[in-house]
Amino acid sequence: AQKVTQAQTEISVVEKEDVTLDCVYETRDTTYYLFWYKQPPSGELVFLIRRNSFDEQNEISGRYSWNFQKSTSSFNFTITASQVVDSAVYFCALSEEQSSYGGSQGNLIFGKGTKLSVKP
Amino acid sequence: NAGVMQNPRHLVRRRGQEARLRCSPVKGHSHVYWYRQLPEEGLKFMVYLQKENIIDESGMPKERFSAEFPKEGPSILRIQQVVRGDSAAYFCASSSHIKDTQYFGPGTRLTVL
Repeated sequence: AQKVTQAQTEISVVEKEDVTLDCVYETRDTTYYLFWYKQPPSGELVFLIRRNSFDEQNEISGRYSWNFQKSTSSFNFTITASQVVDSAVYFCALSEEQSSYGGSQGNLIFGKGTKLSVKP
Repeated sequence: NAGVMQNPRHLVRRRGQEARLRCSPVKGHSHVYWYRQLPEEGLKFMVYLQKENIIDESGMPKERFSAEFPKEGPSILRIQQVVRGDSAAYFCASSSHIKDTQYFGPGTRLTVL
């Protein structure tokens, strides 16, 4: 069955530390998409990245980087030199090309989120 | 370009009342998704709609909940006879294609007294 696991419920770091948020997924599909979203204290959901299953290249965007490894079914997210403004709940999500449970292809399956607190 | 708009941002209802949540997708997006975020839980898919059609409502409770996305106007998530357990944040997302990235609105926080 499809599933996204974010084992870290909460992480607390001091500003300027690097931090990695883990995401492990399960799917039977060979084609799927992985996402990260950020939910700051204000509550909205902000899209960060989308990755398809055929693209295992790591991605870097400023202080953010993502490590996608199909061999371990992981899509981890690293924040370098963290800042207080990075404090938020971060969600990893999966979308399948051919839904294995018979539902539509479009909906996102979310992990429970990791709450990151960056202290000054 | 305006993003996904949701209103109201906060909604308070008493048990037994109806709640109507509205979502206007990104201009040009014809795919709308509704998700619910219960306290201390992640987001759960509820329903997926295209214009005038419900494509997948597998995540929607069987009773009291309904959704529509008319040809003109916003998508509506309707909850009849609300109960305390309906208190949650309801998020709407839209995409231009089924396989494209979903962009989320700010959410509606429903509180049932």
